Amino acid sequence: DIQMTQSPSSLSASVGDRVTITCRASQSISSYLNWYQQKSGKAPRLLIYGASSLQSGVPSRFSGSGSGTDFTLTISSLQPEDFATYYCQQSYRTPPYTFGQGTKLEIK
Amino acid sequence: EVQVVESGGGLVQPGGSLRLSCAASGFTFSDHYMDWVRQAPGKGLEWVGRSRNKANSYTTEYAASVKGRFTISRDDSNNSLFLQMNILKPEDTAVYYCARVTGTFFYETSGYYDHYYYMDVWGKGTTVTVSS
Repeated sequence: DIQMTQSPSSLSASVGDRVTITCRASQSISSYLNWYQQKSGKAPRLLIYGASSLQSGVPSRFSGSGSGTDFTLTISSLQPEDFATYYCQQSYRTPPYTFGQGTKLEIK
Repeated sequence: EVQVVESGGGLVQPGGSLRLSCAASGFTFSDHYMDWVRQAPGKGLEWVGRSRNKANSYTTEYAASVKGRFTISRDDSNNSLFLQMNILKPEDTAVYYCARVTGTFFYETSGYYDHYYYMDVWGKGTTVTVSS
């Protein structure tokens, strides 16, 4: 199975900061990488698919990059509503379609 | 409105069974793959399984942790997805989410082509507690 490792596990930042979250796959997954946001007590929300394609309705301050084994999610200017937990997920060929362990983004 | 709504969660004893349902509306259910994802209390997301569409022979896939105990089925005529859970264990305690899977076709100049699959519509979840 492909393992997904996110870093950091938690992060404190301020409104207006630029934030980067990293996700590393245990083997190459090309661009088969999705990012989700989950707020406390709520269902996850798709942000990015195909490593860099922005889902419809998601603010342009969110961006994704990477290919192979190393990926990043960047929030260019943090807004109050962005404080949440973020998960990467690989969708490469065969299951299981594993998630990273999550990165909790908190207010500094 | 495009949505999926889970139901059927509850308290069950270890070794027991439970059947979750997911009602879809606002989109052509039969065109889509559908996934189940769960989240244990205070933990991260775990992919549970997938139901592919008729065009892909309604094939199903499962995580190793549930394979042989859980069965995913669907009723396209009623826009419904199901998760039959048998031989439940305390570690199956979680919020269970139903999610629509969408595939986006891509083509590379090298001639390679495929689909990116992602979960773009999620329900609010239903809680399953396995405890004596």
